Amino acid sequence: QSVLTQPPSASGTPGQRVTISCSGSNSNIGSNIVNWYQQLPGAAPKVLIYGNNYRPSGVPDRFSGSKSGTSASLAISGLQSEDEADYYCAAWDDYLNGPLFGGGTKLTVL
Amino acid sequence: EVQLVESGGGLVQPGRSLRLSCAVSGFIFDDYAMHWVRQAPGKGLEWVAGISWNGRSIGYADSVKGRFTISRDNAKNSLYLQMNSLRAEDMAFYYCVKDKERVVGEGLFEIWGQGTMVTVSS
Repeated sequence: QSVLTQPPSASGTPGQRVTISCSGSNSNIGSNIVNWYQQLPGAAPKVLIYGNNYRPSGVPDRFSGSKSGTSASLAISGLQSEDEADYYCAAWDDYLNGPLFGGGTKLTVL
Repeated sequence: EVQLVESGGGLVQPGRSLRLSCAVSGFIFDDYAMHWVRQAPGKGLEWVAGISWNGRSIGYADSVKGRFTISRDNAKNSLYLQMNSLRAEDMAFYYCVKDKERVVGEGLFEIWGQGTMVTVSS
């Protein structure tokens, strides 16, 4: 089945390290790159991580991405209050012949 | 400065049509693929449709195939989405998105507009 599964929520305290998982299948993550998007409250999404683990200029190195097999992860270290947002993974799906988004993870900074 | 400005959203009855537009500036429009991505209120992101730099390669999500048509006018630096037979489940914010590549594929949704809201209700 062509779906990317993320936990609906995650949380951490300032300074903590948090990881968000994205689970897929051979038709998407298993054979294509993963990108991550951050959507701050009331704003449009923006690119956070591309090509599995690359950061666009301007994105702090506290954010990192990784991929292994049919799963990917986004790690945020040194958590800050401004990191409170929704995070989405995305990958091309060969079966659907189109891009797929994960359901999104709402990150709360306690 | 790169800008993507959507317009054309609004309230429409089920079964009717609506055409969204996206005016682009700040980059060479006909060098890149473009997409429409939508987000229902309080929900996640859903890719709707994508079009290659020259308009010759187009893809649609199954949920809109046969009802929506994506197109572009490179001379006008504009992207369009013709939405027919609208349903309640089509109600969402519609974002115009620039791809990092020229074709629709394993690309990147590089730059997003601010979105336009489409409300489908009788």
